[in-house]
This record gives sequence, C-alpha cells and structure tokens, in this order.
Amino acid sequence: DTGVSQDPRHKITKRGQNVTFRCDPISEHNRLYWYRQTLGQGPEFLTYFQNEAQLEKSRLLSDRFSAERPKGSFSTLEIQRTEQGDSAMYLCASSSQGGGTGELFFGEGSRLTVL
Amino acid sequence: AQTVTQSQPEMSVQEAETVTLSCTYDTSESNYYLFWYKQPPSRQMILVIRQEAYKQQNATENRFSVNFQKAAKSFSLKISDSQLGDTAMYFCAFMKPMRAQKLVFGQGTRLTINP
Repeated sequence: DTGVSQDPRHKITKRGQNVTFRCDPISEHNRLYWYRQTLGQGPEFLTYFQNEAQLEKSRLLSDRFSAERPKGSFSTLEIQRTEQGDSAMYLCASSSQGGGTGELFFGEGSRLTVL
Repeated sequence: AQTVTQSQPEMSVQEAETVTLSCTYDTSESNYYLFWYKQPPSRQMILVIRQEAYKQQNATENRFSVNFQKAAKSFSLKISDSQLGDTAMYFCAFMKPMRAQKLVFGQGTRLTINP
C-alpha cells in the first residue's frame, strides 16, 4: 500500500503527558499537511511542509505543539503537556507540488484521547 | 477569512435514490477552488469532486455532480443512483489558489444510504 500512513492509530494518555504522532506520506509527494478534526467538525489546518521546510503554521498550533519533517520524508507531530482539549483526530495529508489542484491524500488519522 | 457552512448535519436516503447535499461559503476572492471530500467510517478522506470558480460549467464525476452558483456562493453536491458505499461523512471545502493547498472545511454532513 503506497498511501499515507499514520502511527499510532489510537493513543490514550493522561493529561500532562507528551505524545508524538508519525506520518509517512506518499513517497513522491513533497508537500505534507497536518490537520486536526474534533468530533462533529470538519478538519482544521494546523501546519504545512514543503520538503523539510515548515512554511505555514496555524494559530491553532500553540507552543505546546511542534511538527518536524527532518529529511523531507516522514513527519512527526509532538504535543507536550497534553490537555483534555487536545483530544481529537490528527490527520496527515500529502500532495505533489504544482497545479494547485487541491487534492490532498489523507491518512486514516491518529486519534488522541486525553484523560 | 473564508468560511464554509454545511447546514445539514445528517441525511438519510434509500439506495438508488438521488440526494443533494448543501454547502455555502463566504469569501471576497474572485478565484478559488471548491471541493467535496468523502470520509467513510474509519477510513481515510478522499476527494469526490472539484470545481474551479472561474469555470462556469458544473463539474461531474460519474454519479456525482455539483451545482455551483458563484453569485449565491452556493456549492451543492448531487449523488445520483446512491449506493450503500456512499455512506460517509461528506465535507465541503474551499481553497484559495496559493502555494499551500490549505483547505477550509465545513462541518460535514453525515449521509446514510439505507438498503
């Protein structure tokens, strides 16, 4: 399967703990996105990478959140000192450069539950 | 800022019927893209159909078609001959033509196709 893969699929943690999610995009895609989806809502943009450069961050991405894409391939999203409000589905997507077609290829998401 | 509104939280139809999902958006841009994405239960989100605002012709993809009313800022999705596999959350999304394919999603419509 050459789609976008995310790990772990589910994570339950206690408030105050740190969590890290990993995303492996489609191999030939140089753009990678993180979105957050809370229950009953549509996904909200968090951040975007082109190759290894993080080019845009949403105001939703507080200083407890950090994302990296060190070699322009996989990406990690770390949440420090988790809060109950961080409970959500974290979606990763990738796309190829150019065209502005808007087609993002999404992974199945990593669901975070903060107790 | 752009906003996307889906006023139908849930819809349910019988198999083989036609169903229309509504979407309105707000923007001051003249050129943009609109999308419908489908999120089946526990599966990744996929693109259903795309419309470029500068094109007057409504997009069509097999059983899926849109009714794009630019002046009214309305973008509805029609599914003809609905199938059980169409059961999913459907999200309307907006994108400005820019480097980052940052999508603004609506709240979603949960569509159930009944046998």
